[in-house]
Amino acid sequence: NAGVTQTPKFRVLKTGQSMTLLCAQDMNHEYMYWYRQDPGMGLRLIHYSVGEGTTAKGEVPDGYNVSRLKKQNFLLGLESAAPSQTSVYFCASSYDRVATEAFFGQGTRLTVV
Amino acid sequence: AQSVSQHNHHVILSEAASLELGCNYSYGGTVNLFWYVQYPGQHLQLLLKYFSGDPLVKGIKGFEAEFIKSKFSFNLRKPSVQWSDTAEYFCAVTGSSNTGKLIFGQGTTLQVKP
Repeated sequence: NAGVTQTPKFRVLKTGQSMTLLCAQDMNHEYMYWYRQDPGMGLRLIHYSVGEGTTAKGEVPDGYNVSRLKKQNFLLGLESAAPSQTSVYFCASSYDRVATEAFFGQGTRLTVV
Repeated sequence: AQSVSQHNHHVILSEAASLELGCNYSYGGTVNLFWYVQYPGQHLQLLLKYFSGDPLVKGIKGFEAEFIKSKFSFNLRKPSVQWSDTAEYFCAVTGSSNTGKLIFGQGTTLQVKP
């Protein structure tokens, strides 16, 4: 049972490049989340999904897009990366609406130069 | 808007000292409260949670937290910390009417000196 798996773990992008972060969960969870973690700012919610085919904006959605075509996968896209998007990105999933327990991936460290 | 505020950003304690980390939330409805811990180089793990019932909840590794509704607080406590408790601690909240958004506080870095 792998839980929540994020790929890649590390990435360096040049300003303006695009990339997709993949999150996969094998727990049949309905809810999935993407957060960014920055020093002194905790985890801020970028986008989330309450089920296959649905997505919603979180606290800091600008510059990111997401898709949830399959229940087990939640993709985070950066169309044109900016240095301000340098961060550690965490994906999480939970079974239900009140997030009885959210399970987190190991994180993706992204640097935009 | 929903928000979570953690008062202490960086706490340094000696082993065996007592710990209390503050957490206040802003939310208008029924809330569910969590404390997560992130050990160095690892992902977040659940320490404890409060949904209803006894406002004093116990979690793993000797941690406990008390929900005080009148103060909108959910402070984390441990009577005697160990060096292995060195980590970052996050308070989080979700509610019955916020469609599942899990909102985190800024985090508190705890450093325990041996």
